[in-house]
Amino acid sequence: RKEVEQDPGPFNVPEGATVAFNCTYSNSASQSFFWYRQDCRKEPKLLMSVYSSGNEDGRFTAQLNRASQYISLLIRDSKLSDSATYLCVVNEGRRALTFGSGTRLQVQP
Amino acid sequence: GAVVSQHPSWVICKSGTSVKIECRSLDFQATTMFWYRQFPKQSLMLMATSNEGSKATYEQGVEKDKFLINHASLTLSTLTVTSAHPEDSSFYICSASGRGGRTDTQYFGPGTRLTVL
Repeated sequence: RKEVEQDPGPFNVPEGATVAFNCTYSNSASQSFFWYRQDCRKEPKLLMSVYSSGNEDGRFTAQLNRASQYISLLIRDSKLSDSATYLCVVNEGRRALTFGSGTRLQVQP
Repeated sequence: GAVVSQHPSWVICKSGTSVKIECRSLDFQATTMFWYRQFPKQSLMLMATSNEGSKATYEQGVEKDKFLINHASLTLSTLTVTSAHPEDSSFYICSASGRGGRTDTQYFGPGTRLTVL
């Protein structure tokens, strides 16, 4: 079983759509959680941290459910520039990060 | 934000040669650097963790004699792929965390794409 699981997609959505990604993690002792964005052939870049209380950054909303070991990312009003692979990332308490395999998003005009 | 550079950004080499990849933190002291590898359509997989001045800790299944890591200073870590073979072709990415800011924040380098012929 993978430590961090994501639906690989691709999610093909029109501009302006709302899209949600989900992620589950297996280690209940995980301490911190993130969503990263990775463009093709580039390094991952931090999109946002995820907190139990839920947090929002502009069009992006992240949620964490520790009881279910579930993380989500909601993107509202999708832009063409949102097209990328979104990585669910977990810190299991040993400083190195554990990455999901990513969910690919393609926003179409 | 913090900047991490990698050099080279891409390299093509013949099978059997060794390739050195440098990872530098440009504006902060990186007490810990991480080396990841990413094959096409797969997630980043941690290869090893290195702390300045000490031996690297390798993940299970990663050969320490094949992937030599040196973290000689607070701003530089190197990964040497020795006797590279085609199956070593991958995207190698380093990240660094260090003094100042959140200890769980990692700053990623731009990656090095290695192709072994």
